[in-house]
Amino acid sequence: AQSVTQLGSHVSVSEGALVLLRCNYSSSVPPYLFWYVQYPNQGLQLLLKYTSAATLVKGINDFEAEFKKSETSFHLTKPSAHMSDAAEYFCAVRGNSGYSTLTFGKGTMLLVSP
Amino acid sequence: DTAVSQTPKYLVTQMGNDKSIKCEQNLGHDTMYWYKQDSKKFLKIMFSYNNKELIINETVPNRFSPKSPDKAHLNLHINSLELGDSAVYFCASSQDYSSGVTGELFFGEGSRLTVL
Repeated sequence: AQSVTQLGSHVSVSEGALVLLRCNYSSSVPPYLFWYVQYPNQGLQLLLKYTSAATLVKGINDFEAEFKKSETSFHLTKPSAHMSDAAEYFCAVRGNSGYSTLTFGKGTMLLVSP
Repeated sequence: DTAVSQTPKYLVTQMGNDKSIKCEQNLGHDTMYWYKQDSKKFLKIMFSYNNKELIINETVPNRFSPKSPDKAHLNLHINSLELGDSAVYFCASSQDYSSGVTGELFFGEGSRLTVL
């Protein structure tokens, strides 16, 4: 079985500051890892995914994440926060065999102040 | 053209009533899902269908009954609604399960159910 832990239910940054959202995973098999964003009253939108092709993954809106097997981490970063980045962010994991589905973390709310 | 669409977007009803939520995807995916998001934003898988066959059925009360008439549609019917059923229900779809397919989910906009 796989699971993810997102550290911090809320992260606050100033506009222009570095964004760092933390995600640690637990999986018995090499995982697929995902970051999703949810804006208010909307569905989840895929930001980026790790599929073992490259450990540094670039996504939409200048977000990127680095897969570190030794740390079982997949932290999400963005060099410079925009007000429009304020949203809920979810890390998710999926095993790579059988009828495994996505298991989501509890989410981290990103707050951006001017 | 919306990839995964759900109706209705909002649903307010009384305890004890029966209601349905419909979902359609035009992505050509073989697998569809229902997720429940509670008031704390926690997302939990409820059901998954692959080519109209139920493959995941988490510990959900049997008042919840999914139905997939074809692989592009997945509906959720809820009987005898309870206060605790209030949540946002998301439909999602993905490519077929198989090794090598990353299986990311494509989500609908959600259906917010409020039980009074």
